[in-house]
Parts: sequence; structure tokens; C-alpha cells
Amino acid sequence: GESVGLHLPTLSVQEGDNSIINCAYSNSASDYFIWYKQESGKGPQFIIDIRSNMDKRQGQRVTVLLNKTVKHLSLQIAATQPGDSAVYFCAENPGGSNYKLTFGKGTLLTVNP
Amino acid sequence: GAGVSQSPRYKVAKRGQDVALRCDPISGHVSLFWYQQALGQGPEFLTYFQNEAQLDKSGLPSDRFFAERPEGSVSTLKIQRTQQEDSAVYLCASRGGGRNQPQHFGDGTRLSIL
Repeated sequence: GESVGLHLPTLSVQEGDNSIINCAYSNSASDYFIWYKQESGKGPQFIIDIRSNMDKRQGQRVTVLLNKTVKHLSLQIAATQPGDSAVYFCAENPGGSNYKLTFGKGTLLTVNP
Repeated sequence: GAGVSQSPRYKVAKRGQDVALRCDPISGHVSLFWYQQALGQGPEFLTYFQNEAQLDKSGLPSDRFFAERPEGSVSTLKIQRTQQEDSAVYLCASRGGGRNQPQHFGDGTRLSIL
């Protein structure tokens, strides 16, 4: 079935560098996307979302980019900090559905001091 | 607390026992969701409530899984005659607004079936 996937299962960066986490989705009907951060032993924590009528959205130190042409989503984290170390999931609302989120497998981000 | 609260945080049961997992959503949130998360995987949808109505239970793995939200607030996920493959983290999420609003998750219940 159609699903959300991630290009890189792990990403290791130096503290202070910028991080980019990528996500590919296959459902062209998806119209809403969310990035979550999940630390060990905790639930997914909302980071930022974007609707399909937008290409870019910025938050505090984070930016989400949406390329509908190639069905690609990315999360950019500026000045990555050790506290950013976690698993990052992208999730989509696959259109026509009022509620379900389909999650990718996740990317483990490790920030080295 | 302002967030979604789940209890217990950890549950160990013997195969064949029944378990009940509780979720307290964010106050006022109409929508409530249950997800199952296997180790190293993303959460997978189980069921969805709008107020007390269970509008979708298509993700429940079998008829041993049952969820309820009788008063439109607290929800309980029950698993009967547990099996080892039921071992996972069970996450609850709630949402206050419409479909293009984020779901907010609790920290989950880690269920281990021996």
C-alpha cells in the first residue's frame, strides 16, 4: 500500500551544524504533513506541520519544506543541539481521511558534542 | 497536567490474560486516537473516536482488541486473551481542532506479554 518512508535511517551531526531529515511519500492525495520528535521512552512530540497548499513553513530553529512534484518532505534543524538527538518521524494525512496519520519508519538523529 | 496522560506506563502480563490501558486526553479535545508502535517502527493507527462515537476501528488487529470512550473523555483500550505478538507500545493521541490540526500524543503504555 501507499506509505510514507524515509531516505536515511540514521543521521549523525556535530553540535552547531544544521541537520536535514528527508521523507518521501507516495500518496499524491495527501494534503497535510507533520513532523514529530520521539525521545526514548516518550511519545511523539509535535514539531511542525504543513499543508499541501504551502511549500515552506518555519518555526523556531526548524523549517519544513514540501515538494509535491517529487513527493518529498524535509525537516531542517538549524544549529543542532544535543537535546535534538531523537528519532524523527514524518507523518501524512492521506487525503479523504479526517483523522488517520500514516507514519514513516523514522530517522535517528545523533548530535555529537 | 496539560498533556495526554496514559496509564499504566508499563504493563507485564502473562499470555492469555486480559489487559486494560487507559488514556486521559487533553481537556476539551473531541478527537481521540489509539496507535500501536512496534520496536523501531512508526506508530500504526488502531482506532479513532469523535466524542464517544468510535468512527473507525479498522486498525484493530483482531476481535481481541476493544476500545471505548463512554463519556467522550477518558478512553480504555482492552486486549483480551493476550498473545506475545501484542507486545508493543500503545500510544494515545488527542486533537482539538479539525482534520488539519496536529495530534498530540501521550507517552504510551509499554506492554510486554510473557
